[in-house]
Amino acid sequence: EVQLLESGGGLVQPGGSLRLSCAASGFTFSNYAMTWVRQAPGKGLEYVSSISTSGDRAYYTSSVKGRFTISRDNFGNTLYLQMDSLRAEDTALYYCVKEDINYDGFEYWGQGTLVTVSS
Amino acid sequence: QAGLTQPPSVSKGLRQTATLTCTGNRNNVGNQGAAWHQHHQGHPPKLLSYRNNNRPSGISERFFASRSGNIASLTITGLQPDDEADYYCSAWDSSLSAWVFGGGTKLTVL
Repeated sequence: EVQLLESGGGLVQPGGSLRLSCAASGFTFSNYAMTWVRQAPGKGLEYVSSISTSGDRAYYTSSVKGRFTISRDNFGNTLYLQMDSLRAEDTALYYCVKEDINYDGFEYWGQGTLVTVSS
Repeated sequence: QAGLTQPPSVSKGLRQTATLTCTGNRNNVGNQGAAWHQHHQGHPPKLLSYRNNNRPSGISERFFASRSGNIASLTITGLQPDDEADYYCSAWDSSLSAWVFGGGTKLTVL
């Protein structure tokens, strides 16, 4: 059974940093691209970032480029999102997502971890 | 960052058919299609259809995805109370090198 367990969320002041983690199990982690998607309170789903299977390619939505860094540890089956220079508008529930092997959709979603940016 | 366009809300009666639309452009929907997700608040989103319009294992045949040009559609037949949810389309945008989502459609089953 595929399981994605996010952690690392919390309350942080504007300008601060957080590192999200996603522990994956139930599938061969290194064979799948992975993605972070977020949902701000009362808003829709928003794509944040993706990483290729080997970690050599990363993609970001424009609003987080230069502030967020996605990475993965294929030996430890863990996905990360380093978030720096956080802003109030980054407040959201952050989901870890396993992509389809053909990059055709977001197959499995974790329960999410809540990030709140506020002074 | 430009996203996909979905109507904010659709209302249909029990056992009726609802068709949700998702409008993009030639760089996203028109290029490789759109995937569809169902989202009940308080739960993670669930994939209903891949970009190639195929359903994942376990998804009911009542959910049918299609595409015509830059517009993707999700048709839900025989509406049930549990179909009441938010529905999102997503597509890879080749000009942005990023995924984009639609704003979501809230489906109400009357």
